[in-house]
Amino acid sequence: DVKVTQSSRYLVKRTGEKVFLECVQDMDHENMFWYRQDPGLGLRLIYFSYDVKMKEKGDIPEGYSVSREKKERFSLILESASTNQTSMYLCASSFGGGPAGSPLHFGNGTRLTVT
Amino acid sequence: QKEVEQDPGPLSVPEGAIVSLNCTYSNSAFQYFMWYRQYSRKGPELLMYTYSSGNKEDGRFTAQVDKSSKYISLFIRDSQPSDSATYLCATSHIDTGRRALTFGSGTRLQVQP
Repeated sequence: DVKVTQSSRYLVKRTGEKVFLECVQDMDHENMFWYRQDPGLGLRLIYFSYDVKMKEKGDIPEGYSVSREKKERFSLILESASTNQTSMYLCASSFGGGPAGSPLHFGNGTRLTVT
Repeated sequence: QKEVEQDPGPLSVPEGAIVSLNCTYSNSAFQYFMWYRQYSRKGPELLMYTYSSGNKEDGRFTAQVDKSSKYISLFIRDSQPSDSATYLCATSHIDTGRRALTFGSGTRLQVQP
């Protein structure tokens, strides 16, 4: 079974802090994604990566950056946390060799609260 | 307009009922269609995966895609309390180059014992 592990289940940070969310997958997947999930808005794509050191902006990249130095690890960085970044953050991975619609495998999420 | 629309519910049904969950989408380029189930405080897990139009059955679950009307459905037969979760539909272009999915906002289902 694919395992996607997010380092923290709950985080509380102050406005202006730099925040790191870490994600590791164990199935040698090429693609990795960061989504945020908010009530009524569903899952929205922040950034994705289809190879080491490669990154692409998703639909809502403002205020975020990412890092992928190793294939299994994809980090989301909030450079200066703001209260509107309070959300559930979900990391996912998928096989890169399949069609564009390869299913995503998700971690259990990090609930971030910015006060 | 969102690319994928889904009624948020909540939908409450008695145990044993047939459940119908639905999504509509606007982009005719979508070719892959998926349903994810998300339990409380967990990440979404893949439930059903279909390509293009037609039906796919897996146990008590049936996924249906009607590309002519841009409508996707998930049917759950003999619903159980353990089916209580949020159900998310997701779609993808045949070749977006970004290999990501577009999700509906999710429908919360509660199956009453």
